[in-house]
Amino acid sequence: NAGVTQTPKFQVLKTGQSMTLQCAQDMNHNSMYWYRQDPGMGLRLIYYSASEGTTDKGEVPNGYNVSRLNKREFSLRLESAAPSQTSVYFCASSGQRLSYEQYFGPGTRLTVT
Amino acid sequence: GESVGLHLPTLSVQEGDNSIINCAYSNSASDYFIWYKQESGKGPQFIIDIRSNMDKRQGQRVTVLLNKTVKHLSLQIAATQPGDSAVYFCAENPDMRFGAGTRLTVKP
Repeated sequence: NAGVTQTPKFQVLKTGQSMTLQCAQDMNHNSMYWYRQDPGMGLRLIYYSASEGTTDKGEVPNGYNVSRLNKREFSLRLESAAPSQTSVYFCASSGQRLSYEQYFGPGTRLTVT
Repeated sequence: GESVGLHLPTLSVQEGDNSIINCAYSNSASDYFIWYKQESGKGPQFIIDIRSNMDKRQGQRVTVLLNKTVKHLSLQIAATQPGDSAVYFCAENPDMRFGAGTRLTVKP
């Protein structure tokens, strides 16, 4: 039982490049989330998926897109990376619809130059 | 030792002392609160939660207190150990808003 896994662990992009961050959970959870964490800012919600087939914007969705591929997988895409998107990205899942105890992945550290 | 959310983001205590970490939340309609612990280089990890119809909840060595009148949460850690060194976040729901966190350092 791996919990929540994220790939890659580290990534460096040039401004304007695109990439997809992958997240998978093996706990049969309904809800999944993407956060970014910047120094001194805490975690900020980018997008979430309350259940398979649905996605909704969080606090800071601009510049990102998401796909809930199936119940296990929830990906985050940066279409045209900007230096302001340099951050640590965390994926999380929870068993019940929104707002319950969330299990976090180990994070992806992204640098955009 | 005592810390107040964003204004005092670091707390240093001696091993064996009790720690108190505070958090102010913003939405009076929030009905569910969670404390997370984040060790360096890792994702946040659930510690304890509390619903708005409760004032206090105890876990193993941790206690969370909720004061809805002043929109304030605190996390008390008893007999703090070096392994407790981490950043601690409170989260309010359903908005899924996280505080910036408080860094707890335990001195041996």
